[in-house]
Amino acid sequence: AQKVTQAQTEISVVEKEDVTLDCVYETRDTTYYLFWYKQPPSGELVFLIRRNSFDEQNEISGRYSWNFQKSTSSFNFTITASQVVDSAVYFCALSVPLAPSSNTGKLIFGQGTTLQVKP
Amino acid sequence: KAGVTQTPRYLIKTRGQQVTLSCSPISGHRSVSWYQQTPGQGLQFLFEYFSETQRNKGNFPGRFSGRQFSNSRSEMNVSTLELGDSALYLCASSLSTGSYEQYFGPGTRLTVT
Repeated sequence: AQKVTQAQTEISVVEKEDVTLDCVYETRDTTYYLFWYKQPPSGELVFLIRRNSFDEQNEISGRYSWNFQKSTSSFNFTITASQVVDSAVYFCALSVPLAPSSNTGKLIFGQGTTLQVKP
Repeated sequence: KAGVTQTPRYLIKTRGQQVTLSCSPISGHRSVSWYQQTPGQGLQFLFEYFSETQRNKGNFPGRFSGRQFSNSRSEMNVSTLELGDSALYLCASSLSTGSYEQYFGPGTRLTVT
């Protein structure tokens, strides 16, 4: 069975601090995809990143960076110099094929981490 | 480019009634997925449609159904509403079926009384 665990339920930081959101996944598939989404108070999920299981390169996008480690089944997300606008719920998600050569868009989400950035 | 639109945004229904929610994907996107979000269960996959065919279905009772039209617009229907169906229903669109990026709409907040 596939599963995503975000052990941190809530994190509170002061503006300009760096913060890392943890994500641990479980799957027996060798081909899979990992995602991060942000859900601000408005409710709409905002796509942040997609990474496939064969690409372990870390990625940086502005203040955001992602660390993918297959050895520990983790896909952690770091926000550098956090800002109040980063306050939101962040979700890590996993997608695996239905069968070989049969992809599906089904996302398995973690429970989310609520990040509060205080001024 | 317009994003994913969902209508209505808010809905209040009574137990036993049925409801239909609508989703218009991003232009050019052919795959639509539906998710239910509740405080207790989090985000759960309902179903995925591609080219008017259901590709995958989550673990929800048969009261939950959906369909997709030739223009990729999708509807989901919940019959015989229960209090536990109160949730935020999110629709996501992607270019094709498979693990492409999914772009979510603002959701429909359903309250069952």
